[in-house]
Amino acid sequence: AQTVTQSQPEMSVQEAETVTLSCTYDTSESDYYLFWYKQPPSRQMILVIRQEAYKQQNATENRFSVNFQKAAKSFSLKISDSQLGDAAMYFCAYRSSGATNKLIFGTGTLLAVQP
Amino acid sequence: ETGVTQTPRHLVMGMTNKKSLKCEQHLGHNAMYWYKQSAKKPLELMFVYSLEERVENNSVPSRFSPECPNSSHLFLHLHTLQPEDSALYLCASRLHARERYEQYFGPGTRLTVT
Repeated sequence: AQTVTQSQPEMSVQEAETVTLSCTYDTSESDYYLFWYKQPPSRQMILVIRQEAYKQQNATENRFSVNFQKAAKSFSLKISDSQLGDAAMYFCAYRSSGATNKLIFGTGTLLAVQP
Repeated sequence: ETGVTQTPRHLVMGMTNKKSLKCEQHLGHNAMYWYKQSAKKPLELMFVYSLEERVENNSVPSRFSPECPNSSHLFLHLHTLQPEDSALYLCASRLHARERYEQYFGPGTRLTVT
């Protein structure tokens, strides 16, 4: 069974600085998708970025980018030029194979942004 | 606003009550999900409906009963719940098509069982 591990329960970053959130996963599959979701205090989960395992190029969405290391089964999220609105819980998720598109989530990292 | 709404946003119920959670998506999706989010734990998948057919029931107790009358609506019927069922219940939807794997989440219903 696949598992997702986020080893940093909490992180803090100064406004305008860069922070990296860690995620590792375990799987025997070769083709899969990985996601980072953000859950602000309002509780609505928002997709931040996604990565296809067959793509070697790291995904980028504006200030958000990932460092995808397939061999190491690592999928970290880098947030550049951090803003106060980035404060949230961040979840790493793995899409398992199969028709149900089941997502397996990590326990999350709570990011605080200091002004 | 992600196009997925949930009502009510907060619910307090006794262990003998019967209540229902509602989820509605306005995105033209045809797969819907119920998740349970408890403190300090990963999101737990409860049920999956794809094309209005339940395709997964993740060993959820029978006191939780889902219903998907059409591709836009999803319900979670609750009865004789336990205090440990208190959690945030999240609904999500996605388009059941190749290469469209993102799930879009609603704001959740905060359930407290007394």
